[in-house]
Amino acid sequence: EAQVTQNPRYLITVTGKKLTVTCSQNMNHEYMSWYRQDPGLGLRQIYYSMNVEVTDKGDVPEGYKVSRKEKRNFPLILESPSPNQTSLYFCASRRREAYLYEQFFGPGTRLTVL
Amino acid sequence: KQEVTQIPAALSVPEGENLVLNCSFTDSAIYNLQWFRQDPGKGLTSLLLIQSSQREQTSGRLNASLDKSSGRSTLYIAASQPGDSATYLCAVSPTHTGNQFYFGTGTSLTVIP
Repeated sequence: EAQVTQNPRYLITVTGKKLTVTCSQNMNHEYMSWYRQDPGLGLRQIYYSMNVEVTDKGDVPEGYKVSRKEKRNFPLILESPSPNQTSLYFCASRRREAYLYEQFFGPGTRLTVL
Repeated sequence: KQEVTQIPAALSVPEGENLVLNCSFTDSAIYNLQWFRQDPGKGLTSLLLIQSSQREQTSGRLNASLDKSSGRSTLYIAASQPGDSATYLCAVSPTHTGNQFYFGTGTSLTVIP
């Protein structure tokens, strides 16, 4: 089954404790992206990647890191999480050509930083 | 920067009614516009993708239209059902930023049996 998977689905952590949220897709998509969703603000793009070793900042990259060492994986790293990073996070992927192809989203990771 | 607005923020209709959800965007230079559905606590499900050269797309009871020049899209849902209750989001992919993606804040739809 074609899908985007994220782990963990739920995470409660404390300020300053490094964490990684994994994202994997099995559709051989070139493009992958991370978003956060907050009430009243909607979904905002954090980082995206057009292919292996190619990453770019979205609208809200501060406090986050990403890497794209393999085509299928695009982990989101919070080196020193803070309470304002409490949010619902989504990973997405699609084929390269933006004008042709739709994005597919993972199930989301609900992160709480205490 | 691209701004995407969805009005109304919430909508409640009786079962069987036809309804229209609105999406507007400030920059008409887009690759495409995509409509999603989000159920509470769940991820996003893609409903329809309209490419910039298209005027509309249809899937079952859903019809989405795009008017780039006026910066507007509508999602028409025919014969609404309680199972249509969800939040509907639109998102655009502007051409000049290449691969960024901008979402509206959504319309929360409740279909009353």
